[in-house]
Amino acid sequence: QVQLQESGPGLVKPSQTLSLTCTVSGGSISSGSYYWSWIRQPAGKGLEWIGRIYTSGTINYNPSLKSRVTISLDTSKNQFSLKLSSVTAADTAVYYCARYYDILTGFHLWGRGTLVTVSS
Amino acid sequence: QSVLTQAPSASGTPGQRVTMSCFGSSSNIVSNAVNWYQQLPGTAPKLLIYSNNQRPSGVPDRFSGSKSGTSASLAISGLQSEDEADYYCATWDDSLNGWVFGGGTRLTVL
Repeated sequence: QVQLQESGPGLVKPSQTLSLTCTVSGGSISSGSYYWSWIRQPAGKGLEWIGRIYTSGTINYNPSLKSRVTISLDTSKNQFSLKLSSVTAADTAVYYCARYYDILTGFHLWGRGTLVTVSS
Repeated sequence: QSVLTQAPSASGTPGQRVTMSCFGSSSNIVSNAVNWYQQLPGTAPKLLIYSNNQRPSGVPDRFSGSKSGTSASLAISGLQSEDEADYYCATWDDSLNGWVFGGGTRLTVL
């Protein structure tokens, strides 16, 4: 079955760029018509959608983060990635990658999440 | 401040039925389907209800969802200790062109 796994540095300095990768195993990231998303959750707080990329490459970002976010797809590595620039302590959170088919079906597949701490 | 509003906490005793609500607006809940997620401590969220009232395979029928106007509800009947978790509602927002979540309701089984 398809699984998602986040990876990347657990510690990022303020003002630098946070970079994470989500590796898809058990299936091809190119097959099917799926949206691949990033979602984050600060400790003790709720979920915040960061953005999504469609299998075709169409991208949407959360307007509140749009100026700092880049999401990309690498079909050769079966991965999709997140870059968040100019980070501050407010970007400290568990970052999840997730997949959904359409807005009716919701996020039916999640990675385990990875904690990223922004600190000098 | 979440776009969707949920009560921060709820509680019930084993066997009881509990309901939690999610309030939104015309650009999100009214226009689009609502999904519910269950998040057990230290784990990733799990899809509990999709398309307002549909259960994914493997989700017990004790869990049910509904939607009316600008609000949605999640009901849990025959409450069990393992239901103690955070519950989040989510839907697409046409104005923001993105997903929005509620702040979550922490369910305590007394």
